[in-house]
Amino acid sequence: EVQLLESGGALVQPGGSLRLSCVASGFTFSDYAMNWVRQAPGRGLEWVSVIGYTGSSTYYADSVKGRFTVSRDNAENALYLQMNSLRADDTAMYYCARDLRPRLAADSNGNWFDPWGQGTLVTVSS
Amino acid sequence: EIVLTQSPATLSLSPGERATLSCRASESVSRYLAWYQQKPGQAPRLLIYDASIRATGIPARFSGRGSGTDFTLTISSLEPEDFAIYYCQQRYNWPPWTFGQGTKVEI
Repeated sequence: EVQLLESGGALVQPGGSLRLSCVASGFTFSDYAMNWVRQAPGRGLEWVSVIGYTGSSTYYADSVKGRFTVSRDNAENALYLQMNSLRADDTAMYYCARDLRPRLAADSNGNWFDPWGQGTLVTVSS
Repeated sequence: EIVLTQSPATLSLSPGERATLSCRASESVSRYLAWYQQKPGQAPRLLIYDASIRATGIPARFSGRGSGTDFTLTISSLEPEDFAIYYCQQRYNWPPWTFGQGTKVEI
């Protein structure tokens, strides 16, 4: 069974940092690009970042560019999101999501988020 | 950035009825559009991708159609477990990948 398990969410003060993790199982992790998608409380979905299956390419939403860094460890089947300079509007549930199709470039058209982890909650507040 | 506009915001229906959800893109996304279902307290789940292909394990009562700027998700006969929020998403114009604001299907 394909599973994604996020962790690392917490309450953090504005300006602080946090590192999220997502551990994958049930598939060949190194074959798939991986994404972070977030959802503010009571709001819709916002794509945050993608990392290619080799880890050599990364892309970010403008809202987090320069503050967040995505990385992966294919030997450990793990995805990470380092979040710095956190703001109140970063408060959200953060989901990791695998690309549907393997071995496609991170910025390829027509790849979709499937499956998703259960999410980890990040709250930025003083 | 491509904006996806979903309508209606809320759809109030009864079990057994047909649901028709709309997603309109601000510019063409070809057929690079997907639909996700999200139930309260759960992560989203992929229902339809490439505009009309059902994801693995998705019942046949879910169908998608459209291309270019106008897309539709249809649930032919609502089951109690189908009452949820549905999001469309495009992955055509980079950056970024964008979602619609969601349609809530309520009883």
